[in-house]
Amino acid sequence: QVQLQESGPGLVKPSQTLSLTCTVSGGSISSGGYYWSWIRQHPGKGLEWIGYIYYSGSTYYNPSLKSRVTISVDTSKNQFSLKLSSVTAADTAVYYCARDNGGAAADYWGQGTLVTVSS
Amino acid sequence: QSVLTQPPSVSAAPGQKVTISCSGSSSNIGNNYVSWYQQLPGTAPKLLIYDNNKRPSGIPDRFSGSKSGTSATLGITGLQTGDEADYYCGTWDASLSAGVFGGGTKLTVL
Repeated sequence: QVQLQESGPGLVKPSQTLSLTCTVSGGSISSGGYYWSWIRQHPGKGLEWIGYIYYSGSTYYNPSLKSRVTISVDTSKNQFSLKLSSVTAADTAVYYCARDNGGAAADYWGQGTLVTVSS
Repeated sequence: QSVLTQPPSVSAAPGQKVTISCSGSSSNIGNNYVSWYQQLPGTAPKLLIYDNNKRPSGIPDRFSGSKSGTSATLGITGLQTGDEADYYCGTWDASLSAGVFGGGTKLTVL
């Protein structure tokens, strides 16, 4: 059974960089066949696709966030990471990592982690 | 607003059937597979339907999906109070080269 777990600071100051890591267990990122995603949900709002990465390093990003987002993968640790720069209060959200079969079909999700942007 | 359009809310009585629509365009639903998710309060979304109409293991056949042109529909039969949740559609948008979600539909089982 694949499991994903987000980790990282729950509080980030405005203008700084939000950094989260997703640790995957029960399956290997390097085995291929899946994309590894980040999705966020603003309080009381819907889902927003941030982007995903293939084990080879190919990335796809939401155009509205592309200038500030970097998703990377560390196959040796079976982890992938999200960096979102120059954050503002509008980036306060629950951030989820997920395994995606391609095309926003995410079959395994982490529990989500709330990141608050505040001074 | 979201690239995919869903009704904000739907409701039906226990035991009844409900459908939730998801409208898009040729750059997304029209030429890509659609997925559906259920999000119970305070939990992560759960995949209900993928590839328009396939159910992952463990998802009861009360849940069904269909697609026609640039719209997709989630159907739920034999409604239960436990089905009260937010439901989202998702797909790939070729013009954006990105995944997209609908704004979500809140299902109330009266």
